[in-house]
Amino acid sequence: KNEVEQSPQNLTAQEGEFITINCSYSVGISALHWLQQHPGGGIVSLFMLSSGKKKHGRLIATINIQEKHSSLHITASHPRDSAVYICALHQGGSEKLVFGKGTKLTVNP
Amino acid sequence: GAGVSQSPRYKVAKRGQDVALRCDPISGHVSLFWYQQALGQGPEFLTYFQNEAQLDKSGLPSDRFFAERPEGSVSTLKIQRTQQEDSAVYLCATARELNEKLFFGSGTQLSVL
Repeated sequence: KNEVEQSPQNLTAQEGEFITINCSYSVGISALHWLQQHPGGGIVSLFMLSSGKKKHGRLIATINIQEKHSSLHITASHPRDSAVYICALHQGGSEKLVFGKGTKLTVNP
Repeated sequence: GAGVSQSPRYKVAKRGQDVALRCDPISGHVSLFWYQQALGQGPEFLTYFQNEAQLDKSGLPSDRFFAERPEGSVSTLKIQRTQQEDSAVYLCATARELNEKLFFGSGTQLSVL
């Protein structure tokens, strides 16, 4: 079993829809990252969480440490949100990031 | 600089050739990571530096892979005697301190023919 599981693997939405991407993990963590990767490789860090909830613009990230689960929400989705969204963990006591396989989001106009 | 800079952006190598990939971190960033991302996969950890010290190289797939950061700033990932399975995007990421927000370079896409 992978240490990090993301769902769904692929997601297609219409512009304006509310998007949720999920990340479940099986190990103790010190922090969880949500990353966005556009075609061509560039990765941008969206959030780093160790507890609770963070919001930036139309993006909201939540984490439940007890349930080992995090979600990334996008409100009023737009075609420019189309990208791969990756959940990555800092395991407790380790500097390594363990990456999920990513969720490919396509938002159609 | 304004961001993490990686060069070259693309590298085509013949099997058996040695390659060197460069990462220029954001000034003052202590933590530096190298990751390997195969097509359609998530990045996989290769190695980690804190300043000039290579604290973890457990992800390096073989002894053909070598990374250095001699002055605690620029880092070079060297792959000797490249093989086709080395074809991937090599990503560098840096942070001001460990467990702080990561900043990624655009990666070097290596193709071994």
